Amino acid sequence: QVQLVQSGAEVKKPGASVKVSCQASGYTFTNYFMNWVRQAPGQGLEWVGIINPVGGSTDYAQKFQGRVTMTRDTSTSTVYMEASSLRSEDTAVYYCARSRTNPGVFDIWGQGTMVTVSS
Amino acid sequence: DIQMTQSPSSLSASVGDRVTITCRARQTIINSLNWYQQKPGKAPKLLVYNAYSLQSGVPSRFSGSGSGTDFTLTISSLQPEDFATYYCQQTFSAPVTFGGGTKVEIK
Repeated sequence: QVQLVQSGAEVKKPGASVKVSCQASGYTFTNYFMNWVRQAPGQGLEWVGIINPVGGSTDYAQKFQGRVTMTRDTSTSTVYMEASSLRSEDTAVYYCARSRTNPGVFDIWGQGTMVTVSS
Repeated sequence: DIQMTQSPSSLSASVGDRVTITCRARQTIINSLNWYQQKPGKAPKLLVYNAYSLQSGVPSRFSGSGSGTDFTLTISSLQPEDFATYYCQQTFSAPVTFGGGTKVEIK
């Protein structure tokens, strides 16, 4: 079945970096864009950015530009989101979600990865 | 960025009630409006896309309507499994943006 499986929870200190993975299965990886969305505890959904698995081009929300990098590995159907210079406000669940177009509907989501930033 | 405003932010309802949630866009988004359901500790799930198209497998008690700037998600007869938080999302232009959410609680 179509699914996105994300890496496990992370605990990081302020100023550190974190890299979260999202492995796709059950569909043709290069036929869909991959988005990242985050949700701080008790808060709503916030779009972080998008990557095109064909070629690897990216687009990030303005507030994350310069601090987030998305990459992909087509050999393993995996996308990665690396966030640097972490601060406490980055504590959130990070989701990957695929879309057919850019921008587009998020029809399949990963299970989420909790990233905790704490000293 | 296109701001999305949902109302109410929360509501209490009973099983069997008809529930309506509203989403308003700051500018026209034609029909590029989607609805998601999120239960505690789970990822969001797509319910309705392009304003009124029901995602495969979603019960027919869910329906979407609207165009331009004003949209509605209706649950015709609330079921126990429908207690959750609902989010609207515009995909008319990048960056995609979400409404603040509506929490549907048991009365």
